[in-house]
Amino acid sequence: GESVGLHLPTLSVQEGDNSIINCAYSNSASDYFIWYKQESGKGPQFIIDIRSNMDKRQGQRVTVLLNKTVKHLSLQIAATQPGDSAVYFCARSGATNKLIFGTGTLLAVQP
Amino acid sequence: GAGVSQTPSNKVTEKGKYVELRCDPISGHTALYWYRQSLGQGPEFLIYFQGTGAADDSGLPNDRFFAVRPEGSVSTLKIQRTERGDSAVYLCASSLTYSNTDTQYFGPGTRLTVL
Repeated sequence: GESVGLHLPTLSVQEGDNSIINCAYSNSASDYFIWYKQESGKGPQFIIDIRSNMDKRQGQRVTVLLNKTVKHLSLQIAATQPGDSAVYFCARSGATNKLIFGTGTLLAVQP
Repeated sequence: GAGVSQTPSNKVTEKGKYVELRCDPISGHTALYWYRQSLGQGPEFLIYFQGTGAADDSGLPNDRFFAVRPEGSVSTLKIQRTERGDSAVYLCASSLTYSNTDTQYFGPGTRLTVL
């Protein structure tokens, strides 16, 4: 069946360090992957996306890497700031428009 | 500009009651989605609209759940005979087009508590 899961439920980093959040997926038919950030009491906020024909995509302080061989997705956040503290979800979209989310990783940034 | 809005932000009801949850998508967005999020979990898909019609309702858990979008803009999620297990945050999202690679923008959600 389709699933998207995360390796680490909680990640604690020091302010200024780089963060890496990982995600594994099981369905090779996925053609679009997205990272969302969700702060307490708010809806998921789009961070960055990547299509299956790409290996890497960069945004402002964030980079997403896609390894289709091992079905692995990662989000890298450079110079992590206290405002980055949130739950991060990876999600995928296949032939249909519905997003399938993982269970999330809590990123805690220590000052 | 204005994002996706949802009302009410919180809804407390008793088991067996009927509830309606409203979603106002971003202006001009043609696709609208409903998801449900339980504590500590990622959102789970419920239903997706292209314009006025439900293109995929495979995520609705049973026939107590129903959603409409009569004019292709605002949508209402309706839950009949609510059960305690329906307690969750109900999220709405919209995207500009029907493309499966179009970004889905989420609202703040409605927290439903069934007593």
